Amino acid sequence: VQLQESGPGLVKPSETLSLTCTVSGDSITSYYWNWIRQSAGKGLEWIGRIHPTGNVNYNPSLKSRVTMSVDTSKNQFSLELTSVTAADTAVYYCVREDAALPGWGRGTLVTVSS
Amino acid sequence: DIQMTQSPSTLSVSIGDRVTITCRASQNIINWLAWYQQKPGEAPKLLIYRASTLESGVPSRFSGSGSGTDFALTISSLQPDDFATYYCQQYQSFPYTFGQGTKLEI
Repeated sequence: VQLQESGPGLVKPSETLSLTCTVSGDSITSYYWNWIRQSAGKGLEWIGRIHPTGNVNYNPSLKSRVTMSVDTSKNQFSLELTSVTAADTAVYYCVREDAALPGWGRGTLVTVSS
Repeated sequence: DIQMTQSPSTLSVSIGDRVTITCRASQNIINWLAWYQQKPGEAPKLLIYRASTLESGVPSRFSGSGSGTDFALTISSLQPDDFATYYCQQYQSFPYTFGQGTKLEI
């Protein structure tokens, strides 16, 4: 299974960060799909996860700003993070969950700056 | 949130060394613990899950132990490819949380 993140590498403060993860090699319907980010200041931070049935779990620290969705027809899932600040600058990973987190995308750097 | 505390933060090691990294959870996570290896510029790679189950394809020199709140990752004989940063992660409850990492250096 391969995962590939895509989306803008630069987002302005107060705007919305939008990323998509394309899954190849397996059906997206079989697992939970996570977003995790990594910054120098906060290490690895779990953002949340989604199942194609619609079940979602978000990190309470980000819950008010996060929305995840799944498009099974495209084998993709997405992340939206609103009202971003410099603290949201990080490498964002999409990750497959199956007895822990065995499948990671390569990550995409998102910088929040005007 | 469950806090995960790793020690040490940095470990100076040599090829062939037996290396042990510890991870302590702020509350009982039973055995819902995973270990990851991360090299610069790469995504983390799962090594061990359920505290002691080796992920497919991971060399047998890696092993995990522990339950409850105290866990350990052991590398029986350090190889050149093992110089990396290692993270523990709990998945007993939301939000999933990670340790701060342990960097192995020469």
